[in-house]
Amino acid sequence: GNSVTQMEGPVTLSEEAFLTINCTYTATGYPSLFWYVQYPGEGLQLLLKATKADDKGSNKGFEATYRKETTSFHLEKGSVQVSDSAVYFCALSDLAWGSNYQLIWGAGTKLIIKP
Amino acid sequence: DAGVTQSPTHLIKTRGQHVTLRCSPISGHKSVSWYQQVLGQGPQFIFQYYEKEERGRGNFPDRFSARQFPNYSSELNVNALLLGDSALYLCASGEAGGPINEQYFGPGTRLTVT
Repeated sequence: GNSVTQMEGPVTLSEEAFLTINCTYTATGYPSLFWYVQYPGEGLQLLLKATKADDKGSNKGFEATYRKETTSFHLEKGSVQVSDSAVYFCALSDLAWGSNYQLIWGAGTKLIIKP
Repeated sequence: DAGVTQSPTHLIKTRGQHVTLRCSPISGHKSVSWYQQVLGQGPQFIFQYYEKEERGRGNFPDRFSARQFPNYSSELNVNALLLGDSALYLCASGEAGGPINEQYFGPGTRLTVT
């Protein structure tokens, strides 16, 4: 079946460090891939997305490239800030299921940025 | 434009009781999905409704039910509450059709079962 696997957290970095949060997936069809972020005390927000192989999603300095050959969608940022501290979720939506709206989620990775 | 709204924000119930959670989608969105998020875990899909019809159902018992109204708002009902039903319940709305399955989430309803 379809699934998403994320690296376990928490991930603790110093401000201005380089960030990578790994995400790999299994899917039977042609998934769209997403990164959502959940800041402390807030709801889930879409951070970026990619709908086909080799697409790069980007937003707020974060990037992720849809790699079909490695079934991966790793999240990266060149220089993190304290305000990036949050929980990050990788998710997929698989068109082959016949449903356009169901998301399959990873367990989330907590990111802690120290000043 | 207003985002997805959910009510109530917090709710405390006792085991065996029934609960109704409500969601209003973004104006123009015809799809509503419900997710359960247990602390420290990713959301788990419960239901999806589109144009007032159930489009998908996750691996949840029949105690969970939902419906979508003509104005596209939605209710999630849970009967015979168990302690394990304590979670954040998220509602998400989406536009009709399209290949990009972006969903917009509400702030959630925190349900505590004692």
